[in-house]
Amino acid sequence: DVKVTQSSRYLVKRTGEKVFLECVQDMDHENMFWYRQDPGLGLRLIYFSYDVKMKEKGDIPEGYSVSREKKERFSLILESASTNQTSMYLCASGLQETQYFGPGTRLLVL
Amino acid sequence: KQEVTQIPAALSVPEGENLVLNCSFTDSAIYNLQWFRQDPGKGLTSLLLIQSSQREQTSGRLNASLDKSSGRSTLYIAASQPGDSATYLCAVGTGGFKTIFGAGTRLFVKA
Repeated sequence: DVKVTQSSRYLVKRTGEKVFLECVQDMDHENMFWYRQDPGLGLRLIYFSYDVKMKEKGDIPEGYSVSREKKERFSLILESASTNQTSMYLCASGLQETQYFGPGTRLLVL
Repeated sequence: KQEVTQIPAALSVPEGENLVLNCSFTDSAIYNLQWFRQDPGKGLTSLLLIQSSQREQTSGRLNASLDKSSGRSTLYIAASQPGDSATYLCAVGTGGFKTIFGAGTRLFVKA
């Protein structure tokens, strides 16, 4: 069965902290994605990766960076967390037509 | 710029009712359209995928239609059940790696 896991379901951080969100997939997919989901705005693409060490900016990359050192793992990094980064973060892997989503990480930045 | 809108934002219906969820998009040059389900606090599960050359797709009690020329899709749910309660998201594939999501319709089916 397809599986995308995210390191934390809930996370509370302080403004200015460096935050790592990790995502692991077991389907040998080339492509992985990070989205954030906010009420009334739907999902917005932050970054995606189409291969190891390759990354492309999505629609809202400001304040974020990513790392893909291994095919199965895609990390989202908040270099200096801010309150406007409080959100639900969803990782996905797969093709554009068949993206498989993780359960999400709800991040609160105080 | 492609925009995806879902109306209504929330819907409450009694069990057994047939219902329709609406999705509209501004640019008809789409690659595909997909409907997802999201349960509270969880990720998204794909329900139906319609390619740009198709008009509809069916899975069990669900039927999704696509009218590219008018920029509309509908998700029809027959004989709704309390277990159908969730948020339903429409997503438009624009080619490459881009998928544009609507904000979703939150459905509550009362027993």
